[in-house]
Amino acid sequence: QKEVEQNSGPLSVPEGAIASLNCTYSDRGSQSFFWYRQYSGKSPELIMFIYSNGDKEDGRFTAQLNKASQYVSLLIRDSQPSDSATYLCAVKGTGRRALTFGSGTRLQVQP
Amino acid sequence: DAGVTQSPTHLIKTRGQQVTLRCSPKSGHDTVSWYQQALGQGPQFIFQYYEEEERQRGNFPDRFSGHQFPNYSSELNVNALLLGDSALYLCASSFKSTGELFFGEGSRLTVL
Repeated sequence: QKEVEQNSGPLSVPEGAIASLNCTYSDRGSQSFFWYRQYSGKSPELIMFIYSNGDKEDGRFTAQLNKASQYVSLLIRDSQPSDSATYLCAVKGTGRRALTFGSGTRLQVQP
Repeated sequence: DAGVTQSPTHLIKTRGQQVTLRCSPKSGHDTVSWYQQALGQGPQFIFQYYEEEERQRGNFPDRFSGHQFPNYSSELNVNALLLGDSALYLCASSFKSTGELFFGEGSRLTVL
């Protein structure tokens, strides 16, 4: 079992729709969760982080964390073609100093 | 405020050669982590440096080594290059290991 799992996609949504990206993790003691966006040929860019159960909103982005289910998600409202990218979920596990990344979900927003 | 800077941006080496990649962290950051990202995969953790010492290491062979200097900049060295070492090498900096991670633009290594 991978430590951090994501559906590779592509996830295709029409412009203006809500995109829902999901991630599961195996280390039940994980405390910190991050979403990064990576455009093709570029480096990952931090979008959001979440530490507590529940929702955290920042503009068009909402991160959701459910530690009991070991599940974290990212919702993108009013999706734009410029949101088309690979979204990486990253987790800081128990006793770890570094982040463990999933393989990413490719999002395509159709104009 | 300069972000994380890496050099070189692209390089081509042949099998068996050695390579050194360099990274300057974002201003105010003292911790540098190195990641390897193969095509279509997420970044894989190589190691992390803090206070000039390797603090944690991922599942990479001893051919991968590093260094951190007093000004917090860092180098990644890879010896005896293999074809499978071809990847994007990402440097990320943070304030201690608890802060958010910010990535440089990466060094793309091709091994022929």
